[in-house]
Amino acid sequence: EIVLTQSPGTLSLSAGERATLSCRASQRISSISLAWYQQTPGQAPRLLIYGASNRATGVPDRFSGSGSGTDFTLTIARLEPDDFAVYYCQQYDNSASLTFGGGTKVQSK
Amino acid sequence: QVQLVQSGAEAKKPGSSMKVSCRASEFGSATITWLRQAPGQGLEWMGRVIPILNIVNYAQKFQGRVKITADKATNTAYMEMSSLQSEDTAVYYCARGRDWFGPWGQGTLVTVSS
Repeated sequence: EIVLTQSPGTLSLSAGERATLSCRASQRISSISLAWYQQTPGQAPRLLIYGASNRATGVPDRFSGSGSGTDFTLTIARLEPDDFAVYYCQQYDNSASLTFGGGTKVQSK
Repeated sequence: QVQLVQSGAEAKKPGSSMKVSCRASEFGSATITWLRQAPGQGLEWMGRVIPILNIVNYAQKFQGRVKITADKATNTAYMEMSSLQSEDTAVYYCARGRDWFGPWGQGTLVTVSS
C-alpha cells in the first residue's frame, strides 16, 4: 500500500498569504495519479486538483498543484477566508488500493 | 453536474448490519465510489461500482464484509456492511469517480454503539 505523508500537520497563516502544502509518497507514483481535496467542518470533501496539476471545474486559479515522483505540492497563492480548511492528498496510482494522506489543516493566525 | 443525495443518519448495535443509499441525478457511464471518515480522522476508500457495466471493486480491508450494488432503474447506489463494530462509527460518503472523486454526497453518519 502506498502511504502518503502530508506536512505540515497544521499551517497557521493570515488571509492574503501564500500557503504551501506538501504530500510525500512512500514510493514513486505516476504524476497523473495524485489529487487534492478541501474539506471544511461538517462538509464533504471537495475536489480541487487531479492529475497532480489539473484544477477541477470551478476551482479558482489561486489553487495550483505540482510535483512528480514522490513529492507533490498544493499551493494557494493568496489565502482567502473560505480557504481555511483541511486539505487531503490522494493517490490513485494503484486503482485497487487508493489511499489518502492524513491531511493538513490551514488555520487563521 | 451530477448530484448525489444520501440516506439519513443511522444508529446501529454491534454485530448488526447497515445499508446506506446514494441517489444520483443520473448514472450515465459514471463510477460511484464509497469512502468513509471516522470522527476526527482522515478518509478511507472502500470500493466502487460502475453501474452501466455492473462491475464492483473493493478495498482489500472491506472484502467480504461490504457489498456495493447499484440500481440503474432508480439511479441509486447502495453500500451494505455487516458485522458492525464500534470502529465502524464514521461518516460514509458516496462520490462520483473511479480514481478521483467529485462531486460527493452529503455524507451519512453511522454510529455503532451498544
